[in-house]
Amino acid sequence: LAKTTQPISMDSYEGQEVNITCSHNNIATNDYITWYQQFPSQGPRFIIQGYKTKVTNEVASLFIPADRKSSTLSLPRVSLSDTAVYYCLVGEENQGGKLIFGQGTELSVKP
Amino acid sequence: DTAVSQTPKYLVTQMGNDKSIKCEQNLGHDTMYWYKQDSKKFLKIMFSYNNKELIINETVPNRFSPKSPDKAHLNLHINSLELGDSAVYFCASSQDNRGRYGYTFGSGTRLTVV
Repeated sequence: LAKTTQPISMDSYEGQEVNITCSHNNIATNDYITWYQQFPSQGPRFIIQGYKTKVTNEVASLFIPADRKSSTLSLPRVSLSDTAVYYCLVGEENQGGKLIFGQGTELSVKP
Repeated sequence: DTAVSQTPKYLVTQMGNDKSIKCEQNLGHDTMYWYKQDSKKFLKIMFSYNNKELIINETVPNRFSPKSPDKAHLNLHINSLELGDSAVYFCASSQDNRGRYGYTFGSGTRLTVV
């Protein structure tokens, strides 16, 4: 199983760009990388997914280097409402979609 | 409309009781899941059903029994509740059984066993 490693916590200020890096050294060829956001008392919410290079949507960007052993979630100009836990997951297509959630990164955005 | 809805949102019960948590999704997804989030915030998969068929059954006590009457519903029944069962239980669904387009989670059921 591909395991992920992320910083436990990060602090930022409103308006800054935040980059959260995740390590997944044992990623398999067919695995994809997905990031989720979880607010207190809510379920995780899908943010972005990618396989290689760069993916961008209205919420974030995901940068994946050529070796795919890490990925970086980039949140542009964060606001207080971006305070949440962010999970990096690596998919296992031959395991029926079972994704392993690590401990996540607790992002705190301050005014 | 709520995409994945779970009931109840809060559940407080005594040890030894039997309780059920219900989940429904209106997204037309084929696969549904139950996850457990403990006090340390780790999310662990418990079960997965694809078109009413059990495909993932993690190492979970057999006091926990999922039931899927149709692909839009996945309920979780727990017998003889124990203190250690206290956690937040999340239902989720995905378009297919590989979860390639992401999971949609419900808002969780906070179970407290006293």
